[in-house]
Amino acid sequence: DIQVTQSPSSVSAFVGDRVTITCRASQGIGTWLAWYQQMPGKAPKLLISSASTLQSGVPSRFSGSGSGTFFTLTISSLQPEDFANYYCQQASIFPRTFGQGTKVEMK
Amino acid sequence: QVELVESGGGLVKPGGSLRLSCLASGFTFSDNYMNWIRQAPGKGLEWVSYISSRGTMTNYADSVKGRFTISRDNAKNSLYLHMNNLRVEDTAVYYCARGVTGADDFWGQGTLVTVSS
Repeated sequence: DIQVTQSPSSVSAFVGDRVTITCRASQGIGTWLAWYQQMPGKAPKLLISSASTLQSGVPSRFSGSGSGTFFTLTISSLQPEDFANYYCQQASIFPRTFGQGTKVEMK
Repeated sequence: QVELVESGGGLVKPGGSLRLSCLASGFTFSDNYMNWIRQAPGKGLEWVSYISSRGTMTNYADSVKGRFTISRDNAKNSLYLHMNNLRVEDTAVYYCARGVTGADDFWGQGTLVTVSS
């Protein structure tokens, strides 16, 4: 199985800060990586697919990059509605493993 | 608009069975593969199972292999998860999700399965 290590597990930040979350895959997955946002008590929402393709309707302050084994999700200027949990998921092979999640909290 | 509505969750004793359903609308259901993903209380996301658009290919997490069966009825726009020999550790919110290339772009609201004696 491919292990996906996501970090940090939590980050405290101010509105307006730049936040970066990373995911490392235990083996190369090309660009088969997606990022999801989950608000408390809600279903996850797809933000980015194929490592860097922003989904329709997702604000441009979100961006993704990377390939192979190292990936990043960047929020360029954190907004109040961005305080949530974020997960990466590799979609290269089954089982489709998720990272452990990152909680973005208000400082 | 795309909508996925799960049902069938509830309280069941260890060793029991449940069948989850997911009713899809707003898109051509038979065009997409589907996944079940679960989330234990206070924990992260865990992919559970996959089924191809026509139902000819399936895949399962090791944690549920041999106990869970995924299926679909494209005529009824419905996805199912048959869960047998349930364990306490299967307690979670179960989400169905629509698959697109390399991701799941729409998720249902989830249905809670609680396994407890």
